[in-house]
Order: sequence, then C-alpha cells, then structure tokens
Amino acid sequence: DAGVIQSPRHEVTEMGQEVTLRCKPISGHNSLFWYRQTMMRGLELLIYFNNNVPIDDSGMPEDRFSAKMPNASFSTLKIQPSEPRDSAVYFCASSTSGGNNEQFFGPGTRLTVL
Amino acid sequence: AQSVTQLGSHVSVSEGALVLLRCNYSSSVPPYLFWYVQYPNQGLQLLLKYTSAATLVKGINGFEAEFKKSETSFHLTKPSAHMSDAAEYFCAVMSGGGADGLTFGKGTHLIIQP
Repeated sequence: DAGVIQSPRHEVTEMGQEVTLRCKPISGHNSLFWYRQTMMRGLELLIYFNNNVPIDDSGMPEDRFSAKMPNASFSTLKIQPSEPRDSAVYFCASSTSGGNNEQFFGPGTRLTVL
Repeated sequence: AQSVTQLGSHVSVSEGALVLLRCNYSSSVPPYLFWYVQYPNQGLQLLLKYTSAATLVKGINGFEAEFKKSETSFHLTKPSAHMSDAAEYFCAVMSGGGADGLTFGKGTHLIIQP
C-alpha cells in the first residue's frame, strides 16, 4: 500500500516566489496534518484537517501561509510570498479519526528559499 | 496547553549497551503519548504509543516505554543497542478527546559507538 505521498521532495526557490507543496493522504484516512521541521524550532504543527475541514490553524506562522483540502485525497500548503526563513522540511501526515491513532508521515518536502 | 521535554539532545551508547531516552510531558488532561523515530532524510515512523491500556508499552525494534503518571514521564528504553538504532528520536503528546495534532519534543539524537 502506498503511504502518504508528498511532492515535490525538494524545492529551491527565490525569495518572493510562490511555493505550493502537495500531499496525498493514505486512502481511508480522514485526518490530515501539516508539520514543519527546522533546526531551531524542531517539529511544529501548522494546521490539521478532519474530513477536509480545517480544525486548527493556530500554528500557521503568518498570512503568507495557507492550506487547503479540496477533497479527501489531496491537500496543498502554499507560501506566498516565500522568505528565506521559510526554509525547512515540511511533513504531511494522515490518520484515521480517534485521538490515539497513529499518524503516518510522508517523506517530507525540503524547501530552500534563497 | 501541553508540552514535551526531552532531556539530552544527544545520547551516545556503546553497541550492546542499554538505551535510555528521557521524556517528560505536561498535559491538562490524560494524554496520549508517542515515540517516533526519524532516520536521515526520511519521515517519522511510529515506535510505540501509550493509550492508557497498559503502563508498559512494547514497540517495534525491541523498544519499550513506561508511562509513569506520578513522574509525568514516558522514557524509552532498549536493553541492547544495535548500530541500526542510530537515529533521531522524538517524544510526542496529544491531548485525549479526538483526532488532534501532536506536540513534539526537540528530539534526541542517538549515537551508537562500536
């Protein structure tokens, strides 16, 4: 079975450009999470969806960040405009409903903003 | 609010020695607790989780963790370290009550010396 799929795996862009990260959750999972990993701040939850509805976006750092989940099999995280401090690894994870259910993580997208 | 503290950003043990990675949590409600492992340039993989069924939890690759409410701890152990255990280990907490995002500790880098 395919796990969580993220694309692209690596993205290098220049400051001011728009960046879109993509995620396909595991089929049948109805919760989707976006995390960011940096050396300074570690792993942080940005936003999560339940049944395609955003539940908590308090971790989204600024208005430059936005996330959507138009259907159960696809989500995007967009940064516009991008800044060098956005450089990080962005992970998508999915799970079935239930507070103790395992979140399955994708391989991540390594974003470098020059 | 919930938080996780992992003592020791780096832990070094000899191959065959006991592995002990420390994790303390704070949570206003009974928590769900998780240990994840991250190998270089990969996503996170679940080692084990505590969901109140039993205080001693066994996970994959010979790891186990014990939940101690009085100490608010969930330390990870393995009796005998293997070279393949070298990785980054993250403790995470989720408040009970439904699907929710994870709050991660800063991580502990486990080094195995031959």
